[in-house]
Amino acid sequence: EIVLTQSPGTLSLSPGERVTLSCRASRSVSSSYLAWYQQKPGQAPRLLIYGASSRATGIPDRFSGSGSGTDFTLTISRLEPEDFAVYYCQQYGTSPWTFGQGTKVEIK
Amino acid sequence: EVQLVESGGGLVKPGGSLRLSCVASGFTFSDYSMNWVRQAPGKGLEWLSSISSRSSYIYYTDSVKGRFTISRDNAKNSLYLHMNSLRAEDTAVYYCARVGGSGWSDYWGQGTLVTVSS
Repeated sequence: EIVLTQSPGTLSLSPGERVTLSCRASRSVSSSYLAWYQQKPGQAPRLLIYGASSRATGIPDRFSGSGSGTDFTLTISRLEPEDFAVYYCQQYGTSPWTFGQGTKVEIK
Repeated sequence: EVQLVESGGGLVKPGGSLRLSCVASGFTFSDYSMNWVRQAPGKGLEWLSSISSRSSYIYYTDSVKGRFTISRDNAKNSLYLHMNSLRAEDTAVYYCARVGGSGWSDYWGQGTLVTVSS
């Protein structure tokens, strides 16, 4: 199976800062079939990005995704208070579909 | 509005069985593949199983293969997960999710908690 490793594990930041989250795959992700999700405590995950770089419906343009092959990035251009959460990447190109272990973005 | 509502979770003894249900509304259920994903307490997300719109294609992760069975009833807008031979490590919140496009999960239910304990 494809193992996704997210880094860093935790980021402590202030509102207004720029955030870059990394997701590295153990082997190439087919056709850039990579998604990013946001999860807040007690809530279900919310889709942010699919196809490595396409924003899901209703997602603000401060969220952007990039990458291909084995290296992918989620960028939040300017952190808003509601963006403090855990972020997961997921590959859906090769079964079993797998998630990264998550990156927590917390308030500094 | 797309809605997914899971039910059927609860406390079950090791070795026991449980059936989870997910009722969909707000979209044409029979047009979409569906996923089950779980999250153990304090842990990350784990994809478990997918079923195509007409049940033609079914996939499982290795940890549940042979113990869990995914199914759907398009006439009832419902998705199911039959879980047998449950273990303590199956304790988790179980989410159903709609598959958008090539495989991402674009809408999620609120989850149902399964606790496996004696």
